[in-house]
Amino acid sequence: NAGVTQTPKFRVLKTGQSMTLLCAQDMNHEYMYWYRQDPGMGLRLIHYSVGEGTTAKGEVPDGYNVSRLKKQNFLLGLESAAPSQTSVYFCASSYSSAPYEQYFGPGTRLTVT
Amino acid sequence: EDKVVQSPLSLVVHEGDTVTLNCSYEVTNFRSLLWYKQEKKAPTFLFMLTSSGIEKKSGRLSSILDKKELFSILNITATQTGDSAIYLCAAFLLLLNNNDMRFGAGTRLTVKP
Repeated sequence: NAGVTQTPKFRVLKTGQSMTLLCAQDMNHEYMYWYRQDPGMGLRLIHYSVGEGTTAKGEVPDGYNVSRLKKQNFLLGLESAAPSQTSVYFCASSYSSAPYEQYFGPGTRLTVT
Repeated sequence: EDKVVQSPLSLVVHEGDTVTLNCSYEVTNFRSLLWYKQEKKAPTFLFMLTSSGIEKKSGRLSSILDKKELFSILNITATQTGDSAIYLCAAFLLLLNNNDMRFGAGTRLTVKP
């Protein structure tokens, strides 16, 4: 099992460009999450999904969109990147809503110039 | 506004020292307090605390929750260089239509040989 994988690992964007971050899990988990981590801010939930075809907003959803067309994949999109979106993005998945069961991916470091 | 505050923000100790990391929270719909260890990449789960006064222990690590005073501590005894990491605490909120987690900014622990 690969667990939770994220693509790409690093990316540099210019302001206004768009991109999609891919999260994949092979554990048949229902729940998937996207977080961002900034210095001094801890992890903040952007969007999450409780099953295929569903998405919901987290604490900081503005400027991001997500899709969960397949159970194993959760995509995070930035339509028009801004420097404030420079961050490390973590995807996580879990079988249930129990937080201790969340498995995190290795992270994607995104820089927007 | 929900808030989770960790202190200190960073800490440098020598091998063999004992450290105490603090986490205070002011959140609505509190359900549990979680501790994670984050080394180079993804956070890994350490403890989940739901009841006051009951210590959870795993090797040299232990943690306790005080729901009256709204804080938790994480103790590490006989520290080793491998304990060097960022330690995150998070409040798990049980909401009507979803669940959510609020993370603190983390404590960066450095253990010197």
